[in-house]
Amino acid sequence: AQKVTQAQTEISVVEKEDVTLDCVYETRDTTYYLFWYKQPPSGELVFLIRRNSFDEQNEISGRYSWNFQKSTSSFNFTITASQVVDSAVYFCALRASGSGYALNFGKGTSLLVTP
Amino acid sequence: DARVTQTPRHKVTEMGQEVTMRCQPILGHNTVFWYRQTMMQGLELLAYFRNRAPLDDSGMPKDRFSAEMPDATLATLKIQPSEPRDSAVYFCASGLDRGDYGYTFGSGTRLTVV
Repeated sequence: AQKVTQAQTEISVVEKEDVTLDCVYETRDTTYYLFWYKQPPSGELVFLIRRNSFDEQNEISGRYSWNFQKSTSSFNFTITASQVVDSAVYFCALRASGSGYALNFGKGTSLLVTP
Repeated sequence: DARVTQTPRHKVTEMGQEVTMRCQPILGHNTVFWYRQTMMQGLELLAYFRNRAPLDDSGMPKDRFSAEMPDATLATLKIQPSEPRDSAVYFCASGLDRGDYGYTFGSGTRLTVV
């Protein structure tokens, strides 16, 4: 079975603080893909990043960075110097052969960045 | 940018009425998904299609929900009869059947059944 756990339901930070969103996944497949999506208050789901199980290299994109560790089955997302526009719900998702082509989503973490 | 188009954006209907939601996937994408989002359950997979053929609809209540792809440019999700517990945001997403491909989501249909 595939499962994604985002233990942090809500996080509140002050602008310019760094914040890390945790994601822990479960799968028995050796080939799988991990994703992060952002859902701003407007409601749409915006794709941020994907990672495959064979690539543990961390990735940085501007103020965003992702840390993938197979040893702990985690794919954490860090926002550096947070901004008010980062306020959104962030979803981690897993796609593995056991689930066909579908994405299994975590429950999401609601991030509030205040001025 | 190519986008997935969902209609209507909002729908309010009375219990017992039929509801049809439509999705136009991105041209060239061969995989289409329907997800439902509620506060309690989060994002749940209802059904998905590959090359217009249904692959999995196990997440869908079969007695009242049906999903189809009459052609490559249109996917539909119908609820008949609708119930208040069906109130949710319904998302359509499309992509390619490659493991490393991220899916593009539509803006969703917010359904309220009163």
